Amino acid sequence: DQQVKQNSPSLSVQEGRISILNCDYTNSMFDYFLWYKKYPAEGPTFLISISSIKDKNEDGRFTVFLNKSAKHLSLHIVPSQPGDSAVYFCAAIPSGGYQKVTFGTGTKLQVIP
Amino acid sequence: KAGVTQTPRYLIKTRGQQVTLSCSPISGHRSVSWYQQTPGQGLQFLFEYFSETQRNKGNFPGRFSGRQFSNSRSEMNVSTLELGDSALYLCASSFLTGLNTEAFFGQGTRLTVV
Repeated sequence: DQQVKQNSPSLSVQEGRISILNCDYTNSMFDYFLWYKKYPAEGPTFLISISSIKDKNEDGRFTVFLNKSAKHLSLHIVPSQPGDSAVYFCAAIPSGGYQKVTFGTGTKLQVIP
Repeated sequence: KAGVTQTPRYLIKTRGQQVTLSCSPISGHRSVSWYQQTPGQGLQFLFEYFSETQRNKGNFPGRFSGRQFSNSRSEMNVSTLELGDSALYLCASSFLTGLNTEAFFGQGTRLTVV
């Protein structure tokens, strides 16, 4: 039972345009959401996070939006750059104080120069 | 400061064997989590250790076990290897357990079971 879903396994975007990566979750106990970026042969690196008490968090070119009623979050990258080409994982942490992070299956983003 | 170090980077084992993977967290970090990454399943949580105690466990069979030492280094052991255990095993370290905002990942150990 996949509690965090990334329904698009891949996405291609032209350089300079907006990349939108989507993530849906089913567990209403999730309290904190994170996005990680992963290059081949490397471990994931933290990108941006959002608490369930917010609906938007911005950091430079990266913005994460959270729609709690729809159990949906999205990552916007504007403008997209070739170096953004990687696999992006969304992850969720439940409330309750213990770290049990649930990851989505990932979306491979390709930014075309 | 040095990042999360996982050894070995690559490993080939045969079915039925056992394997031990090692993870050295960032200095000062007391929490170490282990994940399995496979193409179809993405990243799946195995377990988390904090101050030598297992705090959380994912839905993996008992063949997967781990431990953490007093210096926060952690090992993961898989016994009676199966072909399906072939995956990238990642560990992540963080200072605190609980409501962390981020964890730092190692480069992973690529395990191939033949």
